[in-house]
Amino acid sequence: DIGLTQSPDSLAVSLGERATINCKSSQSVLYSPNNKNFLAWYQQKPGQPPKLLIYWASTRESGVPDRFIGSGSETDFTLTISSLQAEDVAVYYCQEYFSSAWTFGQGTKVEIK
Amino acid sequence: HVQLVQSEAEVREPGASVKISCRTSGYIFTSYDLYWVRQAPGERPEWMGWISAASGDATYSQKYQGRLIFTRDTSATTAYMELSSLRSQDTAVYYCARDSGNLKWFDSWGQGTLVTVSS
Repeated sequence: DIGLTQSPDSLAVSLGERATINCKSSQSVLYSPNNKNFLAWYQQKPGQPPKLLIYWASTRESGVPDRFIGSGSETDFTLTISSLQAEDVAVYYCQEYFSSAWTFGQGTKVEIK
Repeated sequence: HVQLVQSEAEVREPGASVKISCRTSGYIFTSYDLYWVRQAPGERPEWMGWISAASGDATYSQKYQGRLIFTRDTSATTAYMELSSLRSQDTAVYYCARDSGNLKWFDSWGQGTLVTVSS
């Protein structure tokens, strides 16, 4: 199975400042025939299911604010929240759909400083 | 508006079985596969398997082989997950989630069903 390791485990950012979350894969999730990275990002608030934010590593789901930016390729990926808002307090997960195990990272908790 | 509504929380003793439902609406049920994902307290989500809503064929994570059964009722646009031989480590929130298409990301989720296994 593909392993996904996120860093940091938690971070505290001031309102309006940038939050950066990293996700490292144990193997490449780039599918060469279509040159797409099989990686998604989700946001999970307490007591709620995960919510899809980003797929294909950088494509925002419909309705997701443009302050959420996904980047990276092959084994190294980043989710950036360009200007943190109070409603962004949550745990964020990366997830690969390259393998047939749909593995998630361990999560990164984002809080307000 | 896509909706996935799951059954209520359950409490079971070790060794028992539990069956959870996931009632869908707002889209053509047979056009999208459904995943089942569980999340133990404080842990990352974990994929359990998926079912083709069209054919009823199911694929299971090897971790659950022999204990897990997915079914669906197309007339009720509802999917079901049954987990047997429960142990305390099965205490978790169980989610159904809709496939975006062709086994990729999960684009809509049920609200989750807490299953507590305790004697």
